[in-house]
Amino acid sequence: NAGVTQTPKFQVLKTGQSMTLQCAQDMNHEYMSWYRQDPGMGLRLIHYSVGAGITDQGEVPNGYNVSRSTTEDFPLRLLSAAPSQTSVYFCASKQKAQGDTQYFGPGTRLTVL
Amino acid sequence: ILNVEQSPQSLHVQEGDSTNFTCSFPSSNFYALHWYRWETAKSPEALFVMTLNGDEKKKGRISATLNTKEGYSYLYIKGSQPEDSATYLCAFREYGNKLVFGAGTILRVKS
Repeated sequence: NAGVTQTPKFQVLKTGQSMTLQCAQDMNHEYMSWYRQDPGMGLRLIHYSVGAGITDQGEVPNGYNVSRSTTEDFPLRLLSAAPSQTSVYFCASKQKAQGDTQYFGPGTRLTVL
Repeated sequence: ILNVEQSPQSLHVQEGDSTNFTCSFPSSNFYALHWYRWETAKSPEALFVMTLNGDEKKKGRISATLNTKEGYSYLYIKGSQPEDSATYLCAFREYGNKLVFGAGTILRVKS
């Protein structure tokens, strides 16, 4: 099992550009989520999905879109990048069961100039 | 907005000291409480998932307790070692699957 994979590892964008951060898992997990990590603020939930075809907003959804067409993939789209979106982005997945562990991907470091 | 608070924000201890941190979370709609260890430039690594009031979990020198009625969890590290230096995160999961993280406690262990 590769676990949770994210691409790219690093990305630099100009303000106004759009891009998609990719996330995939091969553990057949139903629950997937995207977080951003900013200094002093821990991990903040952007969007999450409890299964294919179902997505919902987290704490900081503005400026981001997600879709979940398959169980394996959960891409995060930045529609028009802004410097405030400079951050490290983590994708995570888990089973829906109460006591199950959530596993994180290696992260994508995004800089918006 | 769910409020998950961790204290202290940071902690500096000597090798061999025992230490503990606190995670406070809403006492209503509790589903699970997660603890993670997060080293710089790596992904968060799961330590414990706790679901029942009174739960106690242990992994080596690290242990955790849970009180869902009053909304807190403690993480204990016995005999801290330099390799324990990391940020320790807790995350509260309410019924409905959303997992919300605290800001973390940064632990630095000096040899």
